[in-house]
Amino acid sequence: DVKVTQSSRYLVKRTGEKVFLECVQDMDHENMFWYRQDPGLGLRLIYFSYDVKMKEKGDIPEGYSVSREKKERFSLILESASTNQTSMYLCASSLTLRVEAFFGQGTRLTVV
Amino acid sequence: DQQVKQNSPSLSVQEGRISILNCDYTNSMFDYFLWYKKYPAEGPTFLISISSIKDKNEDGRFTVFLNKSAKHLSLHIVPSQPGDSAVYFCAASALVGNEKLTFGTGTRLTIIP
Repeated sequence: DVKVTQSSRYLVKRTGEKVFLECVQDMDHENMFWYRQDPGLGLRLIYFSYDVKMKEKGDIPEGYSVSREKKERFSLILESASTNQTSMYLCASSLTLRVEAFFGQGTRLTVV
Repeated sequence: DQQVKQNSPSLSVQEGRISILNCDYTNSMFDYFLWYKKYPAEGPTFLISISSIKDKNEDGRFTVFLNKSAKHLSLHIVPSQPGDSAVYFCAASALVGNEKLTFGTGTRLTIIP
C-alpha cells in the first residue's frame, strides 16, 4: 500500500517563527510536491522536486523554501511564518509528473 | 490565470440520483485529466483519469466524459451514495509545456439521504 506521510496533522506557530513541514514517501517516486489548499482557491503548487537536491518553484513559492536531501524526504520551510500562511499543506509524490500523485494526510498550520 | 476551472463551488444531490461535476480548462495543450476526491482533514485520493485520445472512461459508479472541442470534462457518479460527500478536484497536465498537474478550485458535493 502506497504511503505518503506528513510529520504533523496540526501545528500552531507564532508569527516570525521558522517552520519545518516534513514529508516522507515509501514508493521510490522521483517527484515530490508541496501544495496548499485554501477555500475557493483549490490546490496551489508551492514547490516541487523531480530528483534529490533538485527543486523548482511552483505557482506560489514566495515565503517558502524546500529541501530534498534524500529521495524519500521532502521538506517545506517557512523562513518567517506569517498569518497569511495559515492553511492546509499537502505533500504528494508521483512516479512521473503526468500521472496521478499520491497525497499525504495534510498538515493544518495555524500561524498566530 | 486559472487554467482549470470548477465553476460550481457546491452541489447537493439526493441519494440514489446522479451527481454531475463539471470542469473547464483553457490550455489546449492539456491532454491528461484526473479527478480527485477529498474528505475533510485528509489528503486527496485519486478517483479516475482520462487521456485525450478517449472521450469516456468508466470505473464502477464513476464515469468521466471529455469534450475536447468544448475544453470541458465532467464526472458522473451513479448512483450517488452518502459516502460520496466530499470535495472533488479536477486536474490536468500537458505533454509539452506544463507536465505537472494543475488543479481546479474544487466542488463540494453533498449527498442528501
